[in-house]
Amino acid sequence: DQQVKQNSPSLSVQEGRISILNCDYTNSMFDYFLWYKKYPAEGPTFLISISSIKDKNEDGRFTVFLNKSAKHLSLHIVPSQPGDSAVYFCAAHGGTYKYIFGTGTRLKVLA
Amino acid sequence: DTGVSQNPRHKITKRGQNVTFRCDPISEHNRLYWYRQTLGQGPEFLTYFQNEAQLEKSRLLSDRFSAERPKGSFSTLEIQRTEQGDSAMYLCASSPPGRSQETQYFGPGTRLLVL
Repeated sequence: DQQVKQNSPSLSVQEGRISILNCDYTNSMFDYFLWYKKYPAEGPTFLISISSIKDKNEDGRFTVFLNKSAKHLSLHIVPSQPGDSAVYFCAAHGGTYKYIFGTGTRLKVLA
Repeated sequence: DTGVSQNPRHKITKRGQNVTFRCDPISEHNRLYWYRQTLGQGPEFLTYFQNEAQLEKSRLLSDRFSAERPKGSFSTLEIQRTEQGDSAMYLCASSPPGRSQETQYFGPGTRLLVL
């Protein structure tokens, strides 16, 4: 039972354009969501998070949007840079310390 | 470097052998997590410690897996009688005291290959 889904395994975007990564979840008890970035041979690195009481959180080039009614969140990266090329995971939890991760989306930013 | 460290980074073993991995969290973090990641998947939660107490354990953690954090600092994850299906990246993460909604900081992982 995949409670957090990232349906696009990969995405290619031109440098300078917007990258949009999507994530869907099924558990309505989730109340905190995070995005992590992972480079090869490294552990995931925290990028940005959002609480369920908000619908948007912005940090520099990164913005996360949360649509609770659709159980959907997205990560926008503007403008995309070649160094953003990595695998992006969304994660969620609801009241416990256990985070549920999606399967990841590999982003490639083309120079 | 004051991040989460894991040792060894790579481990190759034969089926049936026991292996032990170590995680050193960020020093002021009292929460420690173990995850397993296989190819094409996201990290899967294995277990969670708050200080030395193991508070949550996934059903993925079979009888062959045991984790400890005896003094509330470093942690070890042991796999007994390894199977080929145990081949994966084992990730450790830590987070500071406070609300449950805290960012987890991951180590680089230990990649296990069981032959």
